Amino acid sequence: AQTVTQSQPEMSVQEAETVTLSCTYDTSESDYYLFWYKQPPSRQMILVIRQEAYKQQNATENRFSVNFQKAAKSFSLKISDSQLGDAAMYFCAYQLTGANSKLTFGKGITLSVRP
Amino acid sequence: GAVVSQHPSWVICKSGTSVKIECRSLDFQATTMFWYRQFPKQSLMLMATSNEGSKATYEQGVEKDKFLINHASLTLSTLTVTSAHPEDSSFYICSAPRGVDTQYFGPGTRLTVL
Repeated sequence: AQTVTQSQPEMSVQEAETVTLSCTYDTSESDYYLFWYKQPPSRQMILVIRQEAYKQQNATENRFSVNFQKAAKSFSLKISDSQLGDAAMYFCAYQLTGANSKLTFGKGITLSVRP
Repeated sequence: GAVVSQHPSWVICKSGTSVKIECRSLDFQATTMFWYRQFPKQSLMLMATSNEGSKATYEQGVEKDKFLINHASLTLSTLTVTSAHPEDSSFYICSAPRGVDTQYFGPGTRLTVL
């Protein structure tokens, strides 16, 4: 079975600084997707970034980028120029390729941003 | 973009009553939808996979007679919490996949059982 581990329950970053959120996962599959989701206080799940395992290039979305290390099964999220609106709970998630595959979530990390 | 809605957003009920939560994909069809339960400051726990035209698939430990799921059409799945008790109070979220790599989440339903 696939597992996703987020070992840091909380992190804090100064506004405008950079922060990295860690995630490791375990799978015997070679083709899959990895995601970072943001859940603000409204509790609406928001997709932050997506990485396809067969792509070696790390995904980026504006201030958000990932460091995907397939061999190490590591998938960290870097948030640059942190903003107050980045404060939220962040979940790392894994999904096998294929239609209608389910997501496996990590425990999540609560990120606070200091003004 | 694709949107998934949930109704109601918040429901309060008395112990012993049943509550139905709806999940709709508004601009796409979903043969599969997922139902999650989330406690405060915790992760999403997958409860079941809702399949249009067939029985739902429940995760281990989830009581299928307690949490009835019906996927009546390609845009609607319902979760009914039967004979609700205070321990069923939680935040329930649905999601619907579109394509092979994107899932859209509903805004969630807060259930409070008195």
